[in-house]
Amino acid sequence: AQSVTQLGSHVSVSEGALVLLRCNYSSSVPPYLFWYVQYPNQGLQLLLKYTTGATLVKGINGFEAEFKKSETSFHLTKPSAHMSDAAEYFCAVKNGYSGGGADGLTFGKGTHLIIQP
Amino acid sequence: DADVTQTPRNRITKTGKRIMLECSQTKGHDRMYWYRQDPGLGLRLIYYSFDVKDINKGEISDGYSVSRQAQAKFSLSLESAIPNQTALYFCATQLGQGATGELFFGEGSRLTVL
Repeated sequence: AQSVTQLGSHVSVSEGALVLLRCNYSSSVPPYLFWYVQYPNQGLQLLLKYTTGATLVKGINGFEAEFKKSETSFHLTKPSAHMSDAAEYFCAVKNGYSGGGADGLTFGKGTHLIIQP
Repeated sequence: DADVTQTPRNRITKTGKRIMLECSQTKGHDRMYWYRQDPGLGLRLIYYSFDVKDINKGEISDGYSVSRQAQAKFSLSLESAIPNQTALYFCATQLGQGATGELFFGEGSRLTVL
């Protein structure tokens, strides 16, 4: 079964500083990994995804993430935080549906990113 | 217009009442999902459907039921609502078999059970 652990329910950074949100996963199959962002009173929007190929993936709004198989990690980074980045961020792994397992994505518990002026 | 539309966006109800949350999509996707979001718990899968004849339970299906009325419509029902079903509910779609697994979300339905 798949699982996702996000380290830190709240992360606070200063505007202009590096953003690092941590995600570790467990998967019984080669993982497809995702980062979603949720702004207040909105649904979830895809930031980026890793399926196969290049392990460093770039997403929207200047975010990127690197898949590290040896560390079972998929950490999200952004070189310089902006006030508009304040939101809830979710890491997710695709469920390995196979004759009885659930479909869809398994999500982490989320990290609330706070940007200090 | 949104590709995945949920109604109502907000609902307050009382314990024991029957509630239906509706979802419709214009993306033409085969697969549809209902998730529940609680603070500090992330999103948890309630039910999912591959097509109108294929409904499956997710991680937390107890107390919920669903109906896939058409490819584009997937409803979630609470037959007798209880306070711990107070949550933010999301409908999502996925293209189908062979897709990467990316989900497309509606804007959510906030349900409060008093």
